[in-house]
Amino acid sequence: QLQLRESGPGLVKPSGTLSLTCDVSGGSIITNDFYWDWIRQTPGKGLEWIGSVHFRGSAYYNPSLQSRATVAADTSKNQFSLRLTSVTAADTGVYYCVRGAENPRGLYDHWGQGTQVTVSS
Amino acid sequence: DTRMTQSPSTLPAAVGDTVTLSCRASQNINTWLAWYQQIPGKPPKLLISRASTLVSGVPSRFSGSGSGTEFTLTITNVQPEDFATYHCQQYRTPPWTFGQGTKVEI
Repeated sequence: QLQLRESGPGLVKPSGTLSLTCDVSGGSIITNDFYWDWIRQTPGKGLEWIGSVHFRGSAYYNPSLQSRATVAADTSKNQFSLRLTSVTAADTGVYYCVRGAENPRGLYDHWGQGTQVTVSS
Repeated sequence: DTRMTQSPSTLPAAVGDTVTLSCRASQNINTWLAWYQQIPGKPPKLLISRASTLVSGVPSRFSGSGSGTEFTLTITNVQPEDFATYHCQQYRTPPWTFGQGTKVEI
């Protein structure tokens, strides 16, 4: 049974960097069949796709966040990560790591439980 | 970006009712549409893909239809566990985008 679990600080200061890790168990991220994505849910925008990464390293981003977001995969630890720089209160929300199909892209069948991140001084 | 608009925002219902939720895309997405169910405090759960294909294990009282820009999710004989928020999502063109959700409540 595939499980994804997010971890990272729950509180980040404005203008700081949000860093989250997703541990994957019950399956390997080394697969050509799936991408590994981050999606967030904020009071202002609801569910919003942030970006995705393939185990080979290729990454794709929502243009609205591309300048601030970095998604990376660590095959040695079977995990992937998200960094979001220059955060503001608008970045406050629940962040989910998810598994996305490779074909078609953008369909999400496994979600982590989510982690609340609050941007505040 | 493809904008997804759901209506209504809130849908009152009673156990045993049949309810219909609507989702509209700002451009043609063919049938590249998914529906998710979200219970408070939980992550979204995939119910339907390709506008009408039920995910394995999802009860048959859920059904989806539509193509192009207009889509519906129907719940027949609503059960207590169905009171939740339902999100539509397009995966025709990146960035993948979600509707704001319809809350089915008692």
